[in-house]
This record gives sequence, structure tokens and C-alpha cells, in this order.
Amino acid sequence: DAGVIQSPRHEVTEMGQEVTLRCKPISGHNSLFWYRQTMMRGLELLIYFNNNVPIDDSGMPEDRFSAKMPNASFSTLKIQPSEPRDSAVYFCASTRDLAPNQPQHFGDGTRLSIL
Amino acid sequence: AQKITQTQPGMFVQEKEAVTLDCTYDTSDQSYGLFWYKQPSSGEMIFLIYQGSYDEQNATEGRYSLNFQKARKSANLVISASQLGDSAMYFCAMREGSNDYKLSFGAGTTVTVRA
Repeated sequence: DAGVIQSPRHEVTEMGQEVTLRCKPISGHNSLFWYRQTMMRGLELLIYFNNNVPIDDSGMPEDRFSAKMPNASFSTLKIQPSEPRDSAVYFCASTRDLAPNQPQHFGDGTRLSIL
Repeated sequence: AQKITQTQPGMFVQEKEAVTLDCTYDTSDQSYGLFWYKQPSSGEMIFLIYQGSYDEQNATEGRYSLNFQKARKSANLVISASQLGDSAMYFCAMREGSNDYKLSFGAGTTVTVRA
């Protein structure tokens, strides 16, 4: 089975530009998570969806960040306008169901650099 | 307060020896799950092992085992017969309650296996 697929793997752009990160969860998984990883703050949960509905977006840093999940097989994380402090690795993860022993399966991440 | 504490920022281990990575957690929930992930230098997050709060046996998965001490709120990962490919960052994470999908991650421990 295919794992969580993220694109692009790397993104370098200038500050002020719009950035869109994409994620395709594992087929049949009904929960999707967006994380950000930095050296200073470690792994932070930004937002998660259950059955395509945003459940908790308390980790979204500010209004410049938005996330959507229009259907069960696709999600986007958008930053507009981007700033150098947004540089990080962004991970998408998905999990199958409510069972507490279900791990989150991570994509390979998008390494974002804002110049 | 930190929910997951990993006190060892970095460790060295000789090939073929065992290594124990410490993880303590803080929760008032009776139902929770503990997960360990491996992040090699290539960046992906790989699920290793899970321990449920009601599990009476320590979890094992190949060369990975979890030393779960509920009263002490610790869930240490033991890697037996270390291999060079085990060199990576290791994260302990917790999911609290039975209806919350969120994972709280520790800061991680870097393991370097020496030949």
C-alpha cells in the first residue's frame, strides 16, 4: 500500500510569496494531521481533521496559515504571505480510525525554506 | 508543563549492544497510548512500537521493546543488538484519552551507533 504522500519534497521561495503544501493520506484513513518540525520547537501539531472536518486548529500559528481538506484523499496547507520564520519541515500524517492503538503514519515531509 | 520528557539529547552505543532511551510522561487520563518513532537523517518519521495504558505486558516488536512502568509514568524504549542503521533521532509520543487523536511529542534523543 502507498504511504502518505506529500508534495513538494523541497520548496524554496522568497518571503511574501504564497506557499501551498499538499498531502494525500493513506487510503481508508479518516484522520489527517499537519505538523511542523523545527530545531527550536521540535514537532508541533498545527491542525488535524477527522472525516475531512477540522477538529483542532489551535496549533496554527497565525492567520497567515490555513488548511483545507476538500475530500478524503487530499489536503493542503497554505501560507500566505510567507515569512523566513516559517522555514521548517512540514509533515502530514494520517491514521485509520478511532482505535487508540492506531499509530499516525507520516509522509516524508516538505522541507520549506523562505528566503 | 511538558507532557513528554526525553532527558537524553544524545547517546552513543556500540554496535551489537543494547541501548535504552528514556521517556517519562505526564497525564491525568487513565486511558492513553504511548508511541515511539524513529527519524533517520533522511527525515522521514517511522512508527516503531505502541504501548497502551491498559496493556499488562510490555510491548515488543522485533528488536524493539518497551519497558512500561505505569506507576513511574515511564515508557523507555530498548533497542537490542544495535545496528549501524539504528543511528537516528527517536521520539516518544503520547495520545491521551480515547477520543482525542492528538499526539504530544518529546524533544527526541539522538542515537549514534558506533562500529
